[in-house]
Amino acid sequence: DAGITQSPRYKITETGRQVTLMCHQTWSHSYMFWYRQDLGHGLRLIYYSAAADITDKGEVPDGYVVSRSKTENFPLTLESATRSQTSVYFCASSHRVDQPQHFGDGTRLSIL
Amino acid sequence: DAKTTQPNSMESNEEEPVHLPCNHSTISGTDYIHWYRQLPSQGPEYVIHGLTSNVNNRMASLAIAEDRKSSTLILHRATLRDAAVYYCILRDSDYGGSQGNLIFGKGTKLSVKP
Repeated sequence: DAGITQSPRYKITETGRQVTLMCHQTWSHSYMFWYRQDLGHGLRLIYYSAAADITDKGEVPDGYVVSRSKTENFPLTLESATRSQTSVYFCASSHRVDQPQHFGDGTRLSIL
Repeated sequence: DAKTTQPNSMESNEEEPVHLPCNHSTISGTDYIHWYRQLPSQGPEYVIHGLTSNVNNRMASLAIAEDRKSSTLILHRATLRDAAVYYCILRDSDYGGSQGNLIFGKGTKLSVKP
């Protein structure tokens, strides 16, 4: 189906583990974004990508790594998970930087 | 980025119109006014955006004050499915080196009563 999908929807892991959140879009949008949503903070940008092989930091990038080898995929990796990274993570995409963003349904990540 | 101010919560009755206000007194001439909403357990969803003139689409209408210091999102007939948090966001159309990310505030939580 067309759209933007995130996987997994739910994930529980332990401190220090590596975990990767997947994001896939079928529109061939150039721009992709990763946000986290925490109570009291709203959504905050972690990383974004303007095209394949082009990524850049957002507001809260520490502890995260991204890659974009293909236009349709934008995985987010927590190299060594910490409890402070417990959050809901949203991926989004847009055709151009000034166009509306389309969001996935999110991944709820709990780090014990 | 310019800030917006929205009421924390509002209530509406089903099938009645809803007017969601947003103040943005420091808006610049190149800022577009965007509205997104977030239903429970879902990602944000684009609703509408505009610059100066009022805008209509299948989801809602956007009324922009003449001085652009405030705007109102209008849902013409609220349904139970419209219960969500509504975010008013300013986006600079002159991005330059900007990544174009959305800066979400706390939004307005809309409750719809049957």
